[in-house]
Amino acid sequence: DTEVTQTPKHLVMGMTNKKSLKCEQHMGHRAMYWYKQKAKKPPELMFVYSYEKLSINESVPSRFSPECPNSSLLNLHLHALQPEDSALYLCASSQDLKVKGTGRDQPQHFGDGTRLSIL
Amino acid sequence: DAKTTQPNSMESNEEEPVHLPCNHSTISGTDYIHWYRQLPSQGPEYVIHGLTSNVNNRMASLAIAEDRKSSTLILHRATLRDAAVYYCILRKYNNNDMRFGAGTRLTVKP
Repeated sequence: DTEVTQTPKHLVMGMTNKKSLKCEQHMGHRAMYWYKQKAKKPPELMFVYSYEKLSINESVPSRFSPECPNSSLLNLHLHALQPEDSALYLCASSQDLKVKGTGRDQPQHFGDGTRLSIL
Repeated sequence: DAKTTQPNSMESNEEEPVHLPCNHSTISGTDYIHWYRQLPSQGPEYVIHGLTSNVNNRMASLAIAEDRKSSTLILHRATLRDAAVYYCILRKYNNNDMRFGAGTRLTVKP
């Protein structure tokens, strides 16, 4: 069992649907991340939130819309996706390393992902 | 950004030690060396990290070259459960940005 919970585990949606992926952690982490992973490839960073503010957007298409409503939750809103967006979407959290005084480097904790299929 | 180079795949026998190499010749003084692994059908899992000195934890050991241009992850006794993709990642101190390279797929034979 991981400490980062992602729901749903699987999602099948059509290209005109709107859906959301959810991620939750209760470790007090203030940095949260979305990654996309295609089959047999490494995870690719999509977004980073620091203290509920978007700090990194890796030029992700606007059909992916992240949201961090509070320090424990991270959402990824999906709309008008394409078949090539089918992938495993991973959420992660960590202590926020940009905060002074955090001290030693801290690891990221990952959920087991949502496997998304676009029809 | 500094890059890492790892072999695509490695094989090991069960209960034998495994040494997974990583080259990072352009590493900077503020880069931490992280190792994560990803078991089948799971998210990545933190294994170990270090800056300059060798590190040990319950999962593995990390040996860092004196010039820091390479490192080796050591699994002391491989089990079938250690079969995974192992990623060597450089992450700058005080930076939330963390990017994965291609990784090494480790196969453990009984």
